[in-house]
Amino acid sequence: QSALTQPASVSGSPGQSITLSCTGTSSDVGNYDLVSWYQQHPGKAPKLMIYEATKRPSGVSNRFSGSKSGNTASLTISGLQAEDGADYYCCSYAGSDTVVFGGGTKLTVL
Amino acid sequence: QVQLVQSGAEVKKPGSSVKVSCKASGVTFSTLAISWVRQAPGQGLEWMGGVIPIFKTPDYAKKFQGRVTINADQSTSTAYIEVSSLRSEDTAVYYCARDWSGSTRGGFDAWGQGTLVTVSS
Repeated sequence: QSALTQPASVSGSPGQSITLSCTGTSSDVGNYDLVSWYQQHPGKAPKLMIYEATKRPSGVSNRFSGSKSGNTASLTISGLQAEDGADYYCCSYAGSDTVVFGGGTKLTVL
Repeated sequence: QVQLVQSGAEVKKPGSSVKVSCKASGVTFSTLAISWVRQAPGQGLEWMGGVIPIFKTPDYAKKFQGRVTINADQSTSTAYIEVSSLRSEDTAVYYCARDWSGSTRGGFDAWGQGTLVTVSS
């Protein structure tokens, strides 16, 4: 149950599109379409942004989209806005009713 | 609308235990898939384990097996996590979270407010 791998930081300018990556193994990301993405602002609880790799919960902006290929999942944010600056975590089902998180990516909007 | 309300902050000595509660409302508790996730200061999210009250048997991340106990009381709609043999590295905010799927699959769409546990001599 090793943590999924995410880049420590990513930055982008308002209006740009950016993609965050999340790399796991054939035991987690690669074996299940059960990857989720969370946005967390300082001092707040995480917020679910994407589930089952590509699905968006009600109320989440359609600027957020998810995809998966092999052992790597991705979160794309289009039309970057200042309020998108936050920490983002991926999470994958890892079998036997267990899940594993990534180390998180700090997104800075320049 | 599911709501999860956690117990208050705790300060504990190394070697002692702590028990954090998470009371659910607005949902059928027995079929709720609840997980516990912690976050050390300045660090990332870490899944500790989960339980579905109707099935009673919890699941744990390997790292926490033997030192963490998760259970749920259906009569009070409250889930608990107990961490024993506390060390400074256990200082963290502990969150409970509901998995929307009804199973532990990582889709946590509702979160408690978090409980800060500080381990210090």
